[in-house]
Amino acid sequence: AQSVTQPDIHITVSEGASLELRCNYSYGATPYLFWYVQSPGQGLQLLLKYFSGDTLVQGIKGFEAEFKRSQSSFNLRKPSVHWSDAAEYFCAVGAGNTGGFKTIFGAGTRLFVKA
Amino acid sequence: DTGVSQDPRHKITKRGQNVTFRCDPISEHNRLYWYRQTLGQGPEFLTYFQNEAQLEKSRLLSDRFSAERPKGSFSTLEIQRTEQGDSAMYLCASSLGLAGLSYNEQFFGPGTRLTVL
Repeated sequence: AQSVTQPDIHITVSEGASLELRCNYSYGATPYLFWYVQSPGQGLQLLLKYFSGDTLVQGIKGFEAEFKRSQSSFNLRKPSVHWSDAAEYFCAVGAGNTGGFKTIFGAGTRLFVKA
Repeated sequence: DTGVSQDPRHKITKRGQNVTFRCDPISEHNRLYWYRQTLGQGPEFLTYFQNEAQLEKSRLLSDRFSAERPKGSFSTLEIQRTEQGDSAMYLCASSLGLAGLSYNEQFFGPGTRLTVL
């Protein structure tokens, strides 16, 4: 069965420091991978996605993610965190036609940014 | 605005009451999904439609829940006899499903936050 694991429930980083959020997935076929961000009480905003091609994907707000098939990982990175990046981040995998095309989310990682 | 819209954005109800939520997808999208997100968790799949046909339902969708998409456009999600455990954010998403493509990106609405007292 498809699943997504985000090992870190929460992470605290200093403003200006680099960030890496971990994501591991389990999916039998070629994965369609996503990172979303959600501020408190708000909907989901897509940061970036990977469907195929270059395994290093650039997204909005200065985020990037790298797909590593051998490690079943899709970690999210940002070189310098801003206080406005404090939010909940969700990694997700898109199930294909054998999985009903649904999106399967991880439990999320809450990012705290300290001054 | 041509994104996915949901109404209402917030709903407070008393236990035992019925509630109905509406989702308007992006107009040309033929697939529509409902997800539920409880506090501290990621969204979980509830059900999905292709046009007006409901093709899959999660085991999370108890018999108190019913979803419809009568004309293949907007969709409604009704919860009967609400329980406190139903308190959550209900998210709708839509996508354009084309024959031969193995996945289509889903676009999410802002969600309806339900509080059951």
